[in-house]
Amino acid sequence: EPEVTQTPSHQVTQMGQEVILRCVPISNHLYFYWYRQILGQKVEFLVSFYNNEISEKSEIFDDQFSVERPDGSNFTLKIRSTKLEDSAMYFCASGWARETQYFGPGTRLLVL
Amino acid sequence: GENVEQHPSTLSVQEGDSAVIKCTYSDSASNYFPWYKQELGKGPQLIIDIRSNVGEKKDQRIAVTLNKTAKHFSLHITETQPEDSAVYFCAASKDGDDKIIFGKGTRLHILP
Repeated sequence: EPEVTQTPSHQVTQMGQEVILRCVPISNHLYFYWYRQILGQKVEFLVSFYNNEISEKSEIFDDQFSVERPDGSNFTLKIRSTKLEDSAMYFCASGWARETQYFGPGTRLLVL
Repeated sequence: GENVEQHPSTLSVQEGDSAVIKCTYSDSASNYFPWYKQELGKGPQLIIDIRSNVGEKKDQRIAVTLNKTAKHFSLHITETQPEDSAVYFCAASKDGDDKIIFGKGTRLHILP
């Protein structure tokens, strides 16, 4: 069964550094998403991407964040200058319809 | 905006017994309610979903019920097995929104 994959599984970075989290969505899916889960808190929506542009974003998704689908298979989340509070598990998701979303295993980001 | 509350936060059930997890939502426009199961080291996996035009849906040992008037929905797992041990998330979304709003999760322990 096709799955969403994410790399790396863990990332440790220094505050102020840039990080890129990578995702390979399921191949025939059209909608792509990033969510995050801070330890002990709810899974929170960050951004959705459809037809090569951002479809919706939350207030968390500020100018420090960007997304890209560079080559038709990968979907990336970039954080330009990481802050301590960016430490979280980041989940990529994809779907063929807007609401049915399939999640990857996540990247655990730790900002020191 | 939408708020999803989930209870209990932890649930221990004897193997073979039933487990029930309950959620409430605040936005009456929400019309899609997925349930996710998250096992250790993995991302949330969609296990069942229900739309607001349906009151109940069943898939083998798993069933979901929806009460639109009361704005609550529940997950029922019958004949629980050790592999049902996981964190379960309820969620809600509505037409026109890309984001899924998650509950805080229920950690289900199946006791031998």
